[in-house]
Amino acid sequence: SQQGEEDPQALSIQEGENATMNCSYKTSINNLQWYRQNSGRGLVHLILIRSNEREKHSGRLRVTLDTSKKSSSLLITASRAADTASYFCARVKGSARQLTFGSGTQLTVLP
Amino acid sequence: SAVISQKPSRDICQRGTSLTIQCQVDSQVTMMFWYRQQPGQSLTLIATANQGSEATYESGFVIDKFPISRPNLTFSTLTVSNMSPEDSSIYLCSVLAGDETQYFGPGTRLLVL
Repeated sequence: SQQGEEDPQALSIQEGENATMNCSYKTSINNLQWYRQNSGRGLVHLILIRSNEREKHSGRLRVTLDTSKKSSSLLITASRAADTASYFCARVKGSARQLTFGSGTQLTVLP
Repeated sequence: SAVISQKPSRDICQRGTSLTIQCQVDSQVTMMFWYRQQPGQSLTLIATANQGSEATYESGFVIDKFPISRPNLTFSTLTVSNMSPEDSSIYLCSVLAGDETQYFGPGTRLLVL
């Protein structure tokens, strides 16, 4: 079962707007990874942020991590219709390297 | 990054039958994992596929239902045995890359009638 939550569960915005998704967790982590999934297909890796990092950027994506609050956020700037997808955060803890996934946010970008 | 393929991409099966899903990666990797995504849900880890030894299963998943093979560092199979409609899901394999990133295959969409 998931050990954290993402909010919002669903987000609908207009093209060009920014989208922010949040992820909370309950235990310590080694790193946290964000993924995108289009229509029940495979997962595309977006960004990995380590526990000693606070912010990372990749193109229009910005991820922040606050280990004191056990939370992370994913910001997509200047959104496009092609960004419509489900976004998941996944936490890695310990040497086993398994991912524990959040519940996901369904993002819809309206043209 | 790693390039991962899965076969079949989708299948429709009758209850009581079994299906074996293959996962092939284009480079040798130490760790491979199998996940299940039930309709409308997030991903749940089934097991870690260990090369040369038995897989390590998560709570709620057992070897008799989900036998896993890992004959080498680039290939693994997951079998869904004695299927029921509740097994209808997307099954995904993933691999751990050297930079701690996990890459996923395209998934196998299974429908059990």
